[in-house]
Amino acid sequence: DGGITQSPKYLFRKEGQNVTLSCEQNLNHDAMYWYRQDPGQGLRLIYYSQIVNDFQKGDIAEGYSVSREKKESFPLTVTSAQKNPTAFYLCASSIQMYGTYEQYFGPGTRLTVT
Amino acid sequence: GQQVMQIPQYQHVQEGEDFTTYCNSSTTLSNIQWYKQRPGGHPVFLIQLVKSGEVKKQKRLTFQFGEAKKNSSLHITATQTTDVGTYFCAGQAAGNKLTFGGGTRVLVKP
Repeated sequence: DGGITQSPKYLFRKEGQNVTLSCEQNLNHDAMYWYRQDPGQGLRLIYYSQIVNDFQKGDIAEGYSVSREKKESFPLTVTSAQKNPTAFYLCASSIQMYGTYEQYFGPGTRLTVT
Repeated sequence: GQQVMQIPQYQHVQEGEDFTTYCNSSTTLSNIQWYKQRPGGHPVFLIQLVKSGEVKKQKRLTFQFGEAKKNSSLHITATQTTDVGTYFCAGQAAGNKLTFGGGTRVLVKP
C-alpha cells in the first residue's frame, strides 16, 4: 500500500528544544516538500527537495532544517530558533517537481510547543 | 515572485445551494491543480487543468481554467454536508514550483 507516512501524529515539546518530524514515502517520488499550516490558514512552503542529497529553502525556512540522505525520507527539524513553532506540519511528494504532477500529502504532524 | 490568490476566504452555504470559488494568479500558468482538505485532514488532489479555457467536471464539481491561463474557478452545485472543507488551488508557471493559494473554507448549513 503506497503512500506517505508522518510520525507522530501529535507532538509536544518544551520551548528551547529541537524536534525532528519524520516523513517517509514509498511512492518512488523524486520530489518532496514540507509545508506549515496555521489554523484557518493556507499552506506555506518550508523546504523542498528535487532529488536525493539536494534541498532548497522555501518561503519560510528560518528556524528549520532538513536532510535528504535517502529517496524515501525527508525529515524536518524544528529548531529552537523558530519563533513560533506550534503548527500543523505537512509533508508531500510528487514524481518530479516540474511538470504536471500532483502532490501527495501525508497525514500531518501537529506540533505544540509550550 | 508568483502569487496565487483565492476568494472568498470563507464560504457559508445553505445545503442544496450552489457556490463558486475563484483563484487568480499574478503570472500565466502552465497548469493549475485543485485540492480538498477535510477538517482535521490533509489536502487531497482533486483535479488538474492544463489547457486554456479547459472545463472539467467531477459529479457536482465543475472546474474551469481561464482563457488567459491566469485564473480558475470551482463551482459546486447542490452543496452537501460532505462538501465541507477547505479547497485549495495551486498554480505552476513554467519552470517554477507549485504555489498554493490561501484556500476557501466551506461551511455548509443544513
